[in-house]
Amino acid sequence: DVKVTQSSRYLVKRTGEKVFLECVQDMDHENMFWYRQDPGLGLRLIYFSYDVKMKEKGDIPEGYSVSREKKERFSLILESASTNQTSMYLCASSLSLLAGRYQETQYFGPGTRLLVL
Amino acid sequence: DAKTTQPTSMDCAEGRAANLPCNHSTISGNEYVYWYRQIHSQGPQYIIHGLKNNETNEMASLIITEDRKSSTLILPHATLRDTAVYYCIVSNNFNKFYFGSGTKLNVKP
Repeated sequence: DVKVTQSSRYLVKRTGEKVFLECVQDMDHENMFWYRQDPGLGLRLIYFSYDVKMKEKGDIPEGYSVSREKKERFSLILESASTNQTSMYLCASSLSLLAGRYQETQYFGPGTRLLVL
Repeated sequence: DAKTTQPTSMDCAEGRAANLPCNHSTISGNEYVYWYRQIHSQGPQYIIHGLKNNETNEMASLIITEDRKSSTLILPHATLRDTAVYYCIVSNNFNKFYFGSGTKLNVKP
């Protein structure tokens, strides 16, 4: 089974703090994703990575950065946390793009509930 | 990516089949239909996906109409643990999975 783990289930930080959210997958997946989920807004893609050291902006990258130094690990960084970044953060991974097939199933971690005070 | 339309909520009696509909009338030829569910306070869980043919796995069955404009997820014997929000997604782009509001399935004893 695919296993995607996130470093914390719950996190409380203060405004202005630098926050690191870690995600690790154990299935040698090439693609990794960070989403945030808010009531009434569904899941929104923040950043994704399709290879080590590669990253692409999603729909809402402002206020966030990411790091992928190793294939299995994808980190989301809030450089200076703000109260509007209070949310549920979800990490996902998928295998790869296969020749002639664009779509690959995404597998999600349990999520991190971040509260910024 | 195609937009999907799902009912806001549905009820189902425990032990009965749960049939969750999804409309995706603007789906294009190379877009897959995916179903995920999210149990409260957990990450979304993959259920099943398909392109044209009906699919079945240990969790559910996926019925896709011939014109591919709609699909139905079937949980053959719903249990209380199947209570969750179910998302229908259509996409052909690995980095564009749009999760809408989904259907809240309430399985009742």
